[in-house]
Amino acid sequence: AQSVTQPDIHITVSEGASLELRCNYSYGATPYLFWYVQSPGQGLQLLLKYFSGDTLVQGIKGFEAEFKRSQSSFNLRKPSVHWSDAAEYFCAVVFSTTSGTYKYIFGTGTRLKVLA
Amino acid sequence: KAGVTQTPRYLIKTRGQQVTLSCSPISGHRSVSWYQQTPGQGLQFLFEYFSETQRNKGNFPGRFSGRQFSNSRSEMNVSTLELGDSALYLCASSLASRGTQYFGPGTRLLVL
Repeated sequence: AQSVTQPDIHITVSEGASLELRCNYSYGATPYLFWYVQSPGQGLQLLLKYFSGDTLVQGIKGFEAEFKRSQSSFNLRKPSVHWSDAAEYFCAVVFSTTSGTYKYIFGTGTRLKVLA
Repeated sequence: KAGVTQTPRYLIKTRGQQVTLSCSPISGHRSVSWYQQTPGQGLQFLFEYFSETQRNKGNFPGRFSGRQFSNSRSEMNVSTLELGDSALYLCASSLASRGTQYFGPGTRLLVL
């Protein structure tokens, strides 16, 4: 069955430090991949997406993610974290279903805390 | 373009009541999906509508239903509310089922 795993529930980093949030998926083909960010009490905002092509994708707010087919991973990175990056981050994957439709599956999220 | 809008933003109901939530997608988007978000369960997919037809459904009881109108606006209804239905309900729209989903701010439902 298709699944999305974000192994880290909580991550704490110091402001200015680098960040990597992990996302792994289980699927036989290459899915569409997304990272979203959610601030408290708000909806989800798209950070970046991968459909095909260059496996390193750039997003908003200085984030990037790399698709690694061999590892079924799509990790999110940022070279220098800002205090305003504190939020919850969700990896999402779109799979095709047996009935020919598509379904989004979200990871359980990683809550990022940034220390001043 | 205006983003996805959801009304109401906050709602308080009591057990046994029913509730209807509304979602207006981005203009031109024909796919609308609904999610329930709770601290314990994360984001759970409820259903997706595309051109007034339900295309996908998550694992929720029949008390949860939805519909989509010809202008792509969507509503979801929860009947016989239970305490466990307290959650943030998020709506997302996209051009196509496989495309990028854009989320509304959500409706926070509290069931007492």
